[in-house]
Amino acid sequence: GQNIDQPTEMTATEGAIVQINCTYQTSGFNGLFWYQQHAGEAPTFLSYNVLDGLEEKGRFSSFLSRSKGYSYLLLKELQMKDSASYLCAAMDSNYQLIWGAGTKLIIKP
Amino acid sequence: IAGITQAPTSQILAAGRRMTLRCTQDMRHNAMYWYRQDLGLGLRLIHYSNTAGTTGKGEVPDGYSVSRANTDDFPLTLASAVPSQTSVYFCASGPGTSASADTQYFGPGTRLTVL
Repeated sequence: GQNIDQPTEMTATEGAIVQINCTYQTSGFNGLFWYQQHAGEAPTFLSYNVLDGLEEKGRFSSFLSRSKGYSYLLLKELQMKDSASYLCAAMDSNYQLIWGAGTKLIIKP
Repeated sequence: IAGITQAPTSQILAAGRRMTLRCTQDMRHNAMYWYRQDLGLGLRLIHYSNTAGTTGKGEVPDGYSVSRANTDDFPLTLASAVPSQTSVYFCASGPGTSASADTQYFGPGTRLTVL
């Protein structure tokens, strides 16, 4: 079956760095997406990886290892506004997104 | 309209009633999607449309129907609502068809409670 695993909740301190991991098993693979979702709001796109390696975009970076079925989202210089859920989604061979349940990130001052 | 809109924002519905959730996008995206989001679960695809005039079933289509008469609108209908359909419903759209790794853009969601 198809499956996405990510931690349910993480806590970090303002100004610090946090890494949110995601492992996936899909029928075929056409890329890995990360979305941010603030409470009561819609998911918004953060990053897309289809090749192995690290993609950096400002304070946020995303890494992919296709051979390991593994990705992580790295958030640097954490700000209070980064408190949100982070959703990992893998695109399968039919170009459908398979979503993880999300990681709730709590930032403490 | 800017982006993708959904209506209503929230709704309380009696079981057995018919309900249509509306979704409109002005980005001229070909692909549109309906998801439901429940606590502790990932987003689950209900139905999708690759382009106007075509629709397909997702992971959890039972009890729901959709239509895609034009590019902009993608309504979701619950023919006879049941309490298990209580959820937050998100509409999304993407530039391409199902055969491309497009980013999906989400509407603000509809919070539906079926009693």
